[in-house]
Amino acid sequence: AQKVTQAQTEISVVEKEDVTLDCVYETRDTTYYLFWYKQPPSGELVFLIRRNSFDEQNEISGRYSWNFQKSTSSFNFTITASQVVDSAVYFCALSEASEASGTYKYIFGTGTRLKVLA
Amino acid sequence: DVKVTQSSRYLVKRTGEKVFLECVQDMDHENMFWYRQDPGLGLRLIYFSYDVKMKEKGDIPEGYSVSREKKERFSLILESASTNQTSMYLCASRTSGRAIPNEQFFGPGTRLTVL
Repeated sequence: AQKVTQAQTEISVVEKEDVTLDCVYETRDTTYYLFWYKQPPSGELVFLIRRNSFDEQNEISGRYSWNFQKSTSSFNFTITASQVVDSAVYFCALSEASEASGTYKYIFGTGTRLKVLA
Repeated sequence: DVKVTQSSRYLVKRTGEKVFLECVQDMDHENMFWYRQDPGLGLRLIYFSYDVKMKEKGDIPEGYSVSREKKERFSLILESASTNQTSMYLCASRTSGRAIPNEQFFGPGTRLTVL
């Protein structure tokens, strides 16, 4: 079955610390896509990154980096030098094509709440 | 910028009432989605629509129905609200992306309380 596991329910760090959010997935598909979204206190989810299953290169965007390891079915997210504004709930998601329509839908993990303390 | 709006941020209804949650997007997206978000359960897909008048059940469709008469609008209907439908409801839209699943754009959410 398709599944996304975010085992860390809540993480607290002090500002400027590095923090890694874990994401482990299960899929029967050979081609699939993984996503990370951020949900700040305002509530609106914001897209951070999409990665396809054929691209295992790590990605870096400013203080954010993502480590995709197919061998361990993981797509972890690291924030370097965390800031208070990084406080949010972060969701990992996996694509799944509908058998009926072929439309891609998403399976979300349960989210990790990150608290960055000043 | 893509804008997804939802009709209410907060809503309080009585058990048994018929409830309409409206979602409108302004970027001509083909696909629209309704999720509910509950603590410890993440986002769960209720229904999605891949075109006007076309809909498909998600993982938890029981107790809900949807309507998509116009491309920009996707409505979620609770035929007879129950207390276990108290939740945060999130709407999202996305370009079709048949070959590649594109990112979704989310609305601000509607927090529904059923008394």
